[in-house]
Amino acid sequence: KAGVTQTPRYLIKTRGQQVTLSCSPISGHRSVSWYQQTPGQGLQFLFEYFSETQRNKGNFPGRFSGRQFSNSRSEMNVSTLELGDSALYLCASSVRTGMIHEQYFGPGTRLTVT
Amino acid sequence: AQSVTQLDSQVPVFEEAPVELRCNYSSSVSVYLFWYVQYPNQGLQLLLKYLSGSTLVKGINGFEAEFNKSQTSFHLRKPSVHISDTAEYFCAVSYEGAQKLVFGQGTRLTINP
Repeated sequence: KAGVTQTPRYLIKTRGQQVTLSCSPISGHRSVSWYQQTPGQGLQFLFEYFSETQRNKGNFPGRFSGRQFSNSRSEMNVSTLELGDSALYLCASSVRTGMIHEQYFGPGTRLTVT
Repeated sequence: AQSVTQLDSQVPVFEEAPVELRCNYSSSVSVYLFWYVQYPNQGLQLLLKYLSGSTLVKGINGFEAEFNKSQTSFHLRKPSVHISDTAEYFCAVSYEGAQKLVFGQGTRLTINP
């Protein structure tokens, strides 16, 4: 099976612009989560989608949003970009195995805001 | 609130030496514990997980971890490291039914020849 794919891998944007990142989960996985990774804050949970519905959301401002399509692909959008939004954005798709959702991470999209 | 503390931000060791990366967690409910590895310019790869049962968990690449409920710890060990183990290692926790992972700040493992 192909792994989780994220596009684009690298992105440079200017402060004030908006950006959309895409994630294609592993075939058969219906759940997708997004995380932000920065040197200062580490790995932080953004949100989780299952069957096109947001089930959980982290502590991020409303400028961060996401959605999931019927084929389980997901996108996240960041509007009015700030310098502090520069980060590696990781997507994880998961399937429930027993007691947990085992998460498989993509390579990430590295966003640089100038 | 759940939190994870990785006590060492950097750990340098010599090749073929043993290593232990420390992780402590806090939670008021049953937890599930994970160690992930991140190589440069890559995503996270699952090394091992503790769900229940035996407190000693074996993972990939020769790593193992021991769950200690009384000390709320989940330390990662490898008896003999290789240059290829150079990476950043993350401890994470989740609780039953939840998808969200809470990560520690990471430990950068550097292997010197």
